[in-house]
Amino acid sequence: NAGVTQTPKFQVLKTGQSMTLQCAQDMNHNSMYWYRQDPGMGLRLIYYSASEGTTDKGEVPNGYNVSRLNKREFSLRLESAAPSQTSVYFCASSEIPQTTNEKLFFGSGTQLSVL
Amino acid sequence: QQQVKQSPQSLIVQKGGISIINCAYENTAFDYFPWYQQFPGKGPALLIAIRPDVSEKKEGRFTISFNKSAKQFSLHIMDSQPGDSATYFCAARYAGNNRKLIWGLGTSLAVNP
Repeated sequence: NAGVTQTPKFQVLKTGQSMTLQCAQDMNHNSMYWYRQDPGMGLRLIYYSASEGTTDKGEVPNGYNVSRLNKREFSLRLESAAPSQTSVYFCASSEIPQTTNEKLFFGSGTQLSVL
Repeated sequence: QQQVKQSPQSLIVQKGGISIINCAYENTAFDYFPWYQQFPGKGPALLIAIRPDVSEKKEGRFTISFNKSAKQFSLHIMDSQPGDSATYFCAARYAGNNRKLIWGLGTSLAVNP
């Protein structure tokens, strides 16, 4: 069982370049999330998708766009990368059943450097 | 403004000792308090969680203590082992349809052999 798979694992971009981070989950989860993790800043939510066909902004959405391609896949796009977007990006998914406790499943992350 | 305040930022414990990480919150609309463990190069993974109607939850060497009146909760790791060396995040989730998860900033734990 692969869980949450993120690609690529590492990426170096030049300022102004664009790229898409891919995420797929095989647990049939309804909800998916994109977080960024920076030293001393903890985990900050960029965008999330509560269910297939819906997306919403999180705490730090500026400079990013997302696409919930289907129930399995949730991609994050940087249209014009900036050095401030240098970070480790995590995709996560959850089922969120109403009567039980929520558990987020995270991918292994993408380490992105913008020069 | 940090809605979930986690302390300490880093912690060094000797093998066999007790590791204690504390979190405090202000908003009473939270209904679920998980702790996540993250090893270097990996994503966080749920370690243990508690609801506010329970004062303590224990799973193996890991215990959450919850003080609703003080709006504080803590993670205790008994008999700490070098393999417990990781970053620990507390979090709190809003009740209702929002269900937004608010994260602490993390505690880096090192357990010396």
